[in-house]
Parts: sequence; C-alpha cells; structure tokens
Amino acid sequence: DIVLTQSPDSLAVSLGERATINCRSSQTILYDVNNKNSLAWYQHKPGQPPTLLITWASSRETGVPDRFSASGSATDFTLTISSLQPEDVAVYYCQQYHTPSSLTFGQGTRLEIK
Amino acid sequence: EVHLVQSGAEMKKPGESLKISCRGAGYTFTNYWIAWVRQMPGKGLEWMGSIYPADSQTKYSPSFQGQVSISADKSKSTAFLQWSSLKASDSAIYFCARQPSQYGRFYYMDVWGKGTTVTVSS
Repeated sequence: DIVLTQSPDSLAVSLGERATINCRSSQTILYDVNNKNSLAWYQHKPGQPPTLLITWASSRETGVPDRFSASGSATDFTLTISSLQPEDVAVYYCQQYHTPSSLTFGQGTRLEIK
Repeated sequence: EVHLVQSGAEMKKPGESLKISCRGAGYTFTNYWIAWVRQMPGKGLEWMGSIYPADSQTKYSPSFQGQVSISADKSKSTAFLQWSSLKASDSAIYFCARQPSQYGRFYYMDVWGKGTTVTVSS
C-alpha cells in the first residue's frame, strides 16, 4: 500500500496568516497516462461530509476559494491557505488514487485559529 | 443538482446484520464509481471499497475484504454497504462518495453523501 504521511498533525494559525500542510507519499504517484500526480485534498468540518478541494495535486475544484492552492510532485505535496479565514477551521486530508485497488488517505491535519 | 442521499442512522446489536444505502440523483448513476468511506469515532477517513454500478465491478480495500459486502441496484440508482454480523468495532460514520473514472480506473471523490451513523452496542 502507498502510505501518505501528513505534517503537522495539528496547526494553529492566526486569522489572515498563511497555513501550510504537507503530505508525503511512500512512493511516487505520477499517473503516466496524463503525467499528473494522483493526489487530492479534502476539507472536513465536524458534522459535515468531506469536501473536495484539489485534484491532480494542484487543480482547484470549481467554487473553491482561490486562497486555497496546492503543489508538489513525485512524493512531496503541499496545501496552502494564503490567508486563513474563520470558515477554514477543519481537518484536511490528502488522498492518493494512483493505486485503484488500494486508495489511501493521510492521517489528517487539524487546522485551528491561533 | 448532483447529490447522494444516504439512509438514516442505525442502532444494532453485535451479531446482527445490516444493509445501508446511498442513492444518487442529478447525474447518470452508471457513469461513475461509488466509494464507501469509514470514519471511526475521533479517527480519520478510510476507503473501504468502490463499485461501478453499470456492471457491479467491485474493488475492496484489503483491510475490508471479507468484512463487508458492496453492491448496487442500477435500476434504483442505489449502492449498498452490507454486514452479515456486526461487531462493536463497526460503530462509525459511513460515507458514500462519487468517483469519476476513466480507462477503468476510479479517481478522487467529488460528491459525498452526508454519512450514515452506525452504532453497534449490546
């Protein structure tokens, strides 16, 4: 199985400041058909279902605020919130879909306001 | 509007069977895979398996193979997650989610149901 390790486990950031979450894969997740990395990011607020933010490591979903951005390649990936807003408090997960028989999520990063 | 409607919360005893459902609406149900994802209390997200309703092709996570059964009724645009004998450790929230696919592979989860809470207690 591909193991995704997120860092940090929790993060406290002041309103308006930048938040950065990392996701490291135990092996490369480059999809050779489209030469894109098979990684998604989700936001999960308590009492709600997760919401898809980013696909293919860096493509923001329609409707996701542009303060959310993501980057990375091979085994190291990053989700950045450029200016933290109160509604961004949530747990964030990365997920790889490189191996269809064994999708995996990172353990999650809890983001709070400092 | 695209959405997934999940069945309501369940309270069961150990050893009982259970089948929960996830109905798709607002899109062509047979064009996407449906995934099931578990969240145990205070824990993260775990992919359990996925099904392609058009032909009921199913992929299971090794961690859940043999523990649950995933099925679908394409005529009702509904996918199911089933247990034959529940354990207390099956207590969790279970989400279904739609997965786009191409070339026989499924990808990320772009639309999620609200979740079904399953509580197993004697």
